[in-house]
Amino acid sequence: KQEVTQIPAALSVPEGENLVLNCSFTDSAIYNLQWFRQDPGKGLTSLLLIQSSQREQTSGRLNASLDKSSGRSTLYIAASQPGDSATYLCAVPYNNNDMRFGAGTRLTVKP
Amino acid sequence: SQTIHQWPATLVQPVGSPLSLECTVEGTSNPNLYWYRQAAGRGLQLLFYSVGIGQISSEVPQNLSASRPQDRQFILSSKKLLLSDSGFYLCAWSVLGTRVDTQYFGPGTRLTVL
Repeated sequence: KQEVTQIPAALSVPEGENLVLNCSFTDSAIYNLQWFRQDPGKGLTSLLLIQSSQREQTSGRLNASLDKSSGRSTLYIAASQPGDSATYLCAVPYNNNDMRFGAGTRLTVKP
Repeated sequence: SQTIHQWPATLVQPVGSPLSLECTVEGTSNPNLYWYRQAAGRGLQLLFYSVGIGQISSEVPQNLSASRPQDRQFILSSKKLLLSDSGFYLCAWSVLGTRVDTQYFGPGTRLTVL
């Protein structure tokens, strides 16, 4: 059974700091991993999708890495801004029709 | 482009009352459809998914049910709500195929059972 864990559960940083969010999964036989952003009371928005053949993906100030053998992924946010405040979730495919999500990391970037 | 709608956005219901949440998708055909529940501080829990009209798979036994009367319509229902049904309900869709690459989420419904 695939289990996804995210550490830390919450993180508060001053504006401008670089930060790393962590995601681990128990079954390394995945074909991709995805990072989502969720604003309070809203749905999920996809940020980055890393295929199993890739080691990282970049979008603007975001960089996600994937190490399948160790069952880990990191989301790196450079030069954080107050607008980055949200909950970040990672997810991996499970069976053929489902995804497994972590509980998320709630990020607060203080001005 | 594809869009996904959910309504209502918020709902407050007494214990024992019925429930009906609706989700519709535009701009795509034959999608996989999903209902998730998100409790405070916890991850998303898959409740139901559907690969076609009238085809519903249940992941978690509970007093909720789902129906797919049309290709792009997914409904979550209950005959009698429990306090434990409170939470944030998300509908999602993915491209029908042999595997899920990504899911696209609706704005969610906040349900409070009193």
